[in-house]
Amino acid sequence: DGGITQSPKYLFRKEGQNVTLSCEQNLNHDAMYWYRQDPGQGLRLIYYSQIVNDFQKGDIAEGYSVSREKKESFPLTVTSAQKNPTAFYLCASSGSREQYFGPGTRLTVT
Amino acid sequence: KQEVTQIPAALSVPEGENLVLNCSFTDSAIYNLQWFRQDPGKGLTSLLLIQSSQREQTSGRLNASLDKSSGRSTLYIAASQPGDSATYLCAVLEGTYKYIFGTGTRLKVLA
Repeated sequence: DGGITQSPKYLFRKEGQNVTLSCEQNLNHDAMYWYRQDPGQGLRLIYYSQIVNDFQKGDIAEGYSVSREKKESFPLTVTSAQKNPTAFYLCASSGSREQYFGPGTRLTVT
Repeated sequence: KQEVTQIPAALSVPEGENLVLNCSFTDSAIYNLQWFRQDPGKGLTSLLLIQSSQREQTSGRLNASLDKSSGRSTLYIAASQPGDSATYLCAVLEGTYKYIFGTGTRLKVLA
């Protein structure tokens, strides 16, 4: 089955801790993305990567970091510098200019 | 700066009704437009992709149109069913990588 997996589905962390969200795809897509979704707002781009070992900041990159060591994987780290990290995080990939999304990770920081 | 707007934000219709969801964008220089469906607490599911050179795309009971010159797209849902209840989002692709999303229309189809 081709698709995008994100884990875990729910994540709880204490304030001040870094946390890493996993995203894996087996669609053989070059481009991968991380978005944040908050209630009543559209999707906001955090980071994107068009190719292995290269990535660019999106509109709200502060307090986040990523790596792209393998084509299939694009993990997102939410650092303690992110002021309001509680949100729903969505990973996506694109091939032929069409985006596909994973099931999302809901992060709650208290 | 590209802005994507979806109106209305929420819509309730009785089962069986045909309905139209709207998406407007401010800059016509788009590569394509994609419609998605999102169920509560889930990821986005791609419904239809319209290339900038196309006028419409159809899949089952769904038909999406694109008018670049007026900055508009519509998603037509025929014979709506309770299972169509979800949030529908549109997104335009600028350049080679940047997708700009609308805030969505929350649809409820009443049985």
